[in-house]
Amino acid sequence: DAKTTQPTSMDCAEGRAANLPCNHSTISGNEYVYWYRQIHSQGPQYIIHGLKNNETNEMASLIITEDRKSSTLILPHATLRDTAVYYCIVREYNAGNMLTFGGGTRLMVKP
Amino acid sequence: DGGITQSPKYLFRKEGQNVTLSCEQNLNHDAMYWYRQDPGQGLRLIYYSQIVNDFQKGDIAEGYSVSREKKESFPLTVTSAQKNPTAFYLCASSIDWDYGYTFGSGTRLTVV
Repeated sequence: DAKTTQPTSMDCAEGRAANLPCNHSTISGNEYVYWYRQIHSQGPQYIIHGLKNNETNEMASLIITEDRKSSTLILPHATLRDTAVYYCIVREYNAGNMLTFGGGTRLMVKP
Repeated sequence: DGGITQSPKYLFRKEGQNVTLSCEQNLNHDAMYWYRQDPGQGLRLIYYSQIVNDFQKGDIAEGYSVSREKKESFPLTVTSAQKNPTAFYLCASSIDWDYGYTFGSGTRLTVV
């Protein structure tokens, strides 16, 4: 699986959009981009995933660049409850390929 | 409501003892996984199972064992061979490879 690079930490003001970047410059054509988040002392929560088109659900939007070498997770109106560690993961389209969690980005939403 | 349940939430173990962590899901998911998380770190895969009666080692399987006798259950045993077992253990399941994982709330194991 391709490796990802994320900033260690970010701050965001409550009510503003949180834009979390992820670099995956070695991603291959059949690898998907997944985003999870982990609130302190809880299990990670699935947010969204995509291949090459932008995706949106009730939690967030995922913007993938045309060359697929980077992506951005957007939380449109961050709340204090969005404070968490956000993991960007790439995974190949093959059975048996597990999710590999790196260090992630620690997002702190401040009032 | 469907979900994945880990028990207990907190577990204390004396050195040299084996201990088993429970993971049960009622989501009808085929695949189940065990991860370990140390403070400030990401998750590392211990074992996974894609079907009943079959399981595979992950990246850090030494000192751990699992069984998958039922689709709903995937218990993890931390044996005395695991030299540094104090950690946060997370169980997850998924319906297929391309769907997101559902995680349990975790078990925090402390060796005393």
